[in-house]
Parts: sequence; C-alpha cells; structure tokens
Amino acid sequence: EAGVTQSPTHLIKTRGQQATLRCSPISGHTSVYWYQQALGLGLQFLLWYDEGEERNRGNFPPRFSGRQFPNYSSELNVNALELEDSALYLCASSLVPAFYGYTFGSGTRLTVV
Amino acid sequence: QQQVKQSPQSLIVQKGGISIINCAYENTAFDYFPWYQQFPGKGPALLIAIRPDVSEKKEGRFTISFNKSAKQFSLHIMDSQPGDSATYFCAASLQGAQKLVFGQGTRLTINP
Repeated sequence: EAGVTQSPTHLIKTRGQQATLRCSPISGHTSVYWYQQALGLGLQFLLWYDEGEERNRGNFPPRFSGRQFPNYSSELNVNALELEDSALYLCASSLVPAFYGYTFGSGTRLTVV
Repeated sequence: QQQVKQSPQSLIVQKGGISIINCAYENTAFDYFPWYQQFPGKGPALLIAIRPDVSEKKEGRFTISFNKSAKQFSLHIMDSQPGDSATYFCAASLQGAQKLVFGQGTRLTINP
C-alpha cells in the first residue's frame, strides 16, 4: 500500500512569490492535514480538510490556504512568501475520526530566498 | 493552554541503557497522547499512543507512562539501540478538533 506522497520534495522560491505544495493521501483516507515544521519549533498545525471541506485551521495568516479535490488529494498554497515561511511542510492523512493518529508523508522542504 | 512542553531537547544514552523523554500539558480536555519518531529526511511515524484512562502502555521496548493528576506523560525506551537514534515528538489532541499539538521534540542519540 502506497503511503502519503508529497511533491515536490524541495522547492525554492523568492520572497513575495507563491508556492504550491501537493499531497496524495493513503487510498481510502478522506482526511488530509497540513503541518509546518520550522527549525527548532516542532510541528505546527496548519489545516485539516475532509470530504473537500476545510474543517479546522491553525494560527496562520490567510495567505496560507489550500483545498481538497474530489479524489481527496490536497494542495497547500502559500502566497506572498516571507523568509520565515522556510520550513518542512508535512501532509498527513487518516480515516475520520483519527482515533489512531495520522500517517505522515516525507514532506516538502520550502526555502524562501 | 494548548501547549505541550517536552524535555529534554537532546539526550545521549549508551547502547543498552534506558532513554526517558518527558512531556507535560495543561489542557485537561486532551484525550489522545501519541509519540512520533522522526528520522532525518522522513516524516514523523506513529510509535505508540495512550488514552487518559490508562496509566501505562507497553509495546516491545517502548513504554508510555501517563500521570493524569500531574498532567504528564513520558516515553521510556528500554535496551536503547543505535537504530533508535532519531527525533521524538510527544503530542496531544482533542478528538473533535482532529488536530495534534506537538511538543518541541527530543533529539535522541544512542552511542554504540
């Protein structure tokens, strides 16, 4: 069974640009979660999508947005990139409710220069 | 109130020793406490988890101890091996919110 897949693996953008990160959940999982892992800051919850709807959102500005497609894959968009957006962005999926935790992908390393 | 505090930040243990990582939380509504293991270049992987109605859970060499009154929980790795060298994260969640609040992580190094 394929795990959670994320693309691209690495992404380098210039300050002010937009970044798009993609995630394919495990087959059968309807929920997708996005986390930011900045150096030394642990993992911070960004967004939760389920059945195409945004269900919960962390304490991030509106320039962090996303969507979930009918096949349950998801995109994370970051507009007006700032240097501090440089981080590892992790996607996870689960069956809802996530009684047994998530399965994470390997992440997209976003570098803003 | 949504924070989970994890200590130590880094830990060095000799092969065969016991590794202990501690976490504390404030929100008594948290109802699920997992531990994740992360190797460089990989996403975190669920290691073991506990619910607050249980004081201890053991899976192989990994044990979670949970103290509800003190609002603390810890991970014990018995007979630590070099392959256990990784970053460990504790977390807590509210079932309805479907989000995990993570500790800051502990970088564990097992010396051969």
